[in-house]
Formats: sequence, structure tokens, C-alpha cells
Amino acid sequence: QKEVEQNSGPLSVPEGAIASLNCTYSDRGSQSFFWYRQYSGKSPELIMSIYSNGDKEDGRFTAQLNKASQYVSLLIRDSQPSDSATYLCAATEYGNKLVFGAGTILRVKS
Amino acid sequence: GAVVSQHPSWVICKSGTSVKIECRSLDFQATTMFWYRQFPKQSLMLMATSNEGSKATYEQGVEKDKFLINHASLTLSTLTVTSAHPEDSSFYICSARDPWRQSSYEQYFGPGTRLTVT
Repeated sequence: QKEVEQNSGPLSVPEGAIASLNCTYSDRGSQSFFWYRQYSGKSPELIMSIYSNGDKEDGRFTAQLNKASQYVSLLIRDSQPSDSATYLCAATEYGNKLVFGAGTILRVKS
Repeated sequence: GAVVSQHPSWVICKSGTSVKIECRSLDFQATTMFWYRQFPKQSLMLMATSNEGSKATYEQGVEKDKFLINHASLTLSTLTVTSAHPEDSSFYICSARDPWRQSSYEQYFGPGTRLTVT
């Protein structure tokens, strides 16, 4: 069974710090990886996608992928209270259905 | 780009009635749409994959006769919850892929529909 594992948290960081969110996946056939942010009562919002080993940066967000270790991470620099949300990691094999992790709750304290 | 809408955003219905939820891709044509359900403090659960012009593929444990999915056009998929019961109360979310985007594996989510069955 294909699985994506995340620490449920909550992960608490002070405002301005770097938040580090981690995710592992079981299916070596997974090719595409995504980070979604979900605010309470809202639907998920895509914030990062990554397909190749290494780092991908977009503004304050950096996604890291290590296929050998089956590990994906998301770094949020200069964390803001508005970043407080649940972050969902997801993986897919060649565009088939997404397999979601249970999500990590992030709390940024001002 | 890649905007997905849902209607209604919330609905309250009586037990035994049916409810239809619409999912539209507003600025792209979606050959594939996905329907999810999310209970409070739980992650998303994929219910079915909807392909335009063909029957939906349901996940194990999802009753296809209860959750009817129709994907009649490249911009519209509908989910009908038939004979709804209180245990069907949940947050239903659709997503769509834009096959013409370079990052075509990305799924874009609609805002969700909160269903309450009394």
C-alpha cells in the first residue's frame, strides 16, 4: 500500500524563524511531489511541486527532494503568523491519483 | 490560472434526500477531476476519479450507487449524494488537473462544499 508519512505536530516556531516540515513516502515509483497548505475550514492550496532531486525555491518556500531516501521536505523562511495552517505532503506516480499524508500542523507564534 | 469552483459552498438537507454538488474548471479544460471527502481533523480521502466521457473510478469502500459522479464536459463534474444520511455530513472537495500545463500532474482544488444532513 502506498503511504505518505508526516509528523502530525503541532510544530511551533517563533515569528521570523525557519519552519521545517518533513515527509517520507513508501512507493519508489512516485515521481511527483507536492506541498499543499490548508487553513482550518478551507480546501487545500498548492504551494510547491517538485519532481527532481535537490532543492526548489519559490519566495520564502524551499522544497527539497531526496528520492534515494524517499524523503521530501518544505522549508518556510521568515515564518509569519499567517503561515499557521496544516501542511499536506502528497505524492503521485505519473499523474495518477495523489496519495496524501495526514498533514503537519504548523503554528507560528508572534 | 487553474481556478476550480464548487457550488454550493454549503448545503443543509434532510435525511433521505439527494444533494448535487458541482465542480467546474473555470479557465482550463479538465479531462480528469477528483472527488475527496474530509472529516473534521482528518486528512483528505479520495472518493473517486472522474474522467470526461467515461465512468468514474471509485476507491475501495466508496459506494458508487450512493455517490453518483458525472463528468459530462471538460469543465464540469457533478457529485450527487443519494439518500443522504447524517453520517454523510462532511466537507466534499473536488480537484482538477490541467493536462495542457507544463506541470500537468498538479491538482487544483475547489473551495469545497460543506454538507450537513439533519
